[in-house]
Amino acid sequence: AQTVTQSQPEMSVQEAETVTLSCTYDTSESDYYLFWYKQPPSRQMILVIRQEAYKQQNATENRFSVNFQKAAKSFSLKISDSQLGDAAMYFCACQYSGAGSYQLTFGKGTKLSVIP
Amino acid sequence: DSGVTQTPKHLITATGQRVTLRCSPRSGDLSVYWYQQSLDQGLQFLIQYYNGEERAKGNILERFSAQQFPDLHSELNLSSLELGDSALYFCASSEDARAPEAFFGQGTRLTVV
Repeated sequence: AQTVTQSQPEMSVQEAETVTLSCTYDTSESDYYLFWYKQPPSRQMILVIRQEAYKQQNATENRFSVNFQKAAKSFSLKISDSQLGDAAMYFCACQYSGAGSYQLTFGKGTKLSVIP
Repeated sequence: DSGVTQTPKHLITATGQRVTLRCSPRSGDLSVYWYQQSLDQGLQFLIQYYNGEERAKGNILERFSAQQFPDLHSELNLSSLELGDSALYFCASSEDARAPEAFFGQGTRLTVV
């Protein structure tokens, strides 16, 4: 079984500043994926970034990057140059391929507010 | 647009009733996953179908069932509805082994009154 913990229920950031959202996970598996999803008020779940556990290099997608610390089971998301459109719920998720199923285990989410 | 289509967007029904939620996956994706998002339980995996066959079950109640049809669309059936079943139900699809990231539909907001 996997668990994902997001310890910050809410965060805020000034527009154009940088913010880091925290996530820790627990899994006994050696091969897994980690994701950050964004859920804006429209409620659509949007994939932000993905990280393969076997890759040491941290993933980046434009203004979004992660700090993946495998030994510490930590997977934080850094948003640079924050924009008003970044305001949303952010969910960290862990995925392990067990018996061909790639189901996701989600954290409780962090609500990010962007202050103009 | 994720390419995953869910209908209806909103559903209001009474306790004890039965409803069917529908999902069309992205073109080429064989896997469909159903998730429930509620205030108290967060986002939870319910069930997965792969190419018409059930592949994995999560925290799905016995009152709930799903199926995937030959054209790969899927339906989630919820019966004997209770107030606590009110939630946002998401469908997601993926290629699985080749590209495991899941793409979500816009969800169906179910309200049981």
